[in-house]
Amino acid sequence: DTAVSQTPKYLVTQMGNDKSIKCEQNLGHDTMYWYKQDSKKFLKIMFSYNNKELIINETVPNRFSPKSPDKAHLNLHINSLELGDSAVYFCASSQDLTTGELFFGEGSRLTVL
Amino acid sequence: QKEVEQDPGPLSVPEGAIVSLNCTYSNSAFQYFMWYRQYSRKGPELLMYTYSSGNKEDGRFTAQVDKSSKYISLFIRDSQPSDSATYLCAMSTSGGSYIPTFGRGTSLIVHP
Repeated sequence: DTAVSQTPKYLVTQMGNDKSIKCEQNLGHDTMYWYKQDSKKFLKIMFSYNNKELIINETVPNRFSPKSPDKAHLNLHINSLELGDSAVYFCASSQDLTTGELFFGEGSRLTVL
Repeated sequence: QKEVEQDPGPLSVPEGAIVSLNCTYSNSAFQYFMWYRQYSRKGPELLMYTYSSGNKEDGRFTAQVDKSSKYISLFIRDSQPSDSATYLCAMSTSGGSYIPTFGRGTSLIVHP
């Protein structure tokens, strides 16, 4: 039973399209995150939610809109996709905001053509 | 200068070797130090978690933190081909945001 699951695992799409990635955790954690990992493996925080409330919103274009319908789910919607959005997007969760112990999903590999 | 610096490698060693992986950082407010392991096409998984300075050992893995030098290390003894992965260091502060800042990862290859 996967702790943090993301769908889809792979997306290939054209520039200008809109896409969504879904994430669910069954660990009972309060905090969830979206990270972006570029081609050089650099893992960068995008958003953090705690108890469904947005806590961190790093410098991310407003084409990216996260949504947390409940504590166990955090989705990411991307509008007007650009070539530079190609990356692996990781969802993660942690017990709460006082720990850096993150549990990651397997990633969603987005390719924009 | 990035907050957390890590040599991307790759680092290639023979099976059985002792591996040393390192990170330097610039933010003296970092108090929590972590090492994550990421296999190809998988998400990172937490390997070691330490607070402040000192050593922590877990099986073949030892994490060291030297806050005075702003330098952390991960040692792997008796390295195995199954240790081949990317190792990411991460660190966070103790107040405000605990969200870890990651290094870019070092790719380790252990060949039989």
